[in-house]
Amino acid sequence: DTEVTQTPKHLVMGMTNKKSLKCEQHMGHRAMYWYKQKAKKPPELMFVYSYEKLSINESVPSRFSPECPNSSLLNLHLHALQPEDSALYLCASSQSQLGIANSNQPQHFGDGTRLSIL
Amino acid sequence: QKEVEQNSGPLSVPEGAIASLNCTYSDRGSQSFFWYRQYSGKSPELIMFIYSNGDKEDGRFTAQLNKASQYVSLLIRDSQPSDSATYLCAVRGWGKLQFGAGTQVVVTP
Repeated sequence: DTEVTQTPKHLVMGMTNKKSLKCEQHMGHRAMYWYKQKAKKPPELMFVYSYEKLSINESVPSRFSPECPNSSLLNLHLHALQPEDSALYLCASSQSQLGIANSNQPQHFGDGTRLSIL
Repeated sequence: QKEVEQNSGPLSVPEGAIASLNCTYSDRGSQSFFWYRQYSGKSPELIMFIYSNGDKEDGRFTAQLNKASQYVSLLIRDSQPSDSATYLCAVRGWGKLQFGAGTQVVVTP
């Protein structure tokens, strides 16, 4: 078990569905991250939130929409996804954003949501 | 040139032996380095982080950093079958981590 909690653990959805992935941490971390990971590949960064503001968007398609309602929660809203979007979606958090103010704090990952697009 | 490079493996290690994993990086200004272990189908788990040149030991794991050579390594002593996993090297970039492709380690009984 990790201190970063992701729900749901598994999600199967059609290409026309709208769904949301949720991530929660109670470690007082102020930076939160979404990653996408395909099989046998390293995690690919999608978004970074720092102090509840979007800090980095790695040119992610608009069918993925992040939201940070408060410092403990991070959502990823999904709409009109494609089969190639099937992957493990990982949330991570760190005390502050890496590289900002010389922060070296490690990132801690949640267990992930395995997403399958039909 | 990839920013963080690792041998993909698999690295086959007899049980009880030392596993040695290597990682090189291209950004000479990198300041912090992380090793994650990832079991198949699971999320990455932080094992070690190192910021200063030299060795850092934690249990059976030792991380080694040489900034002049832009090289970081992970040693796993007394390897166990439970150490069989993919090990990801990650290097701090501006605001984010740069991951290597990972090295698969297989510990054989």
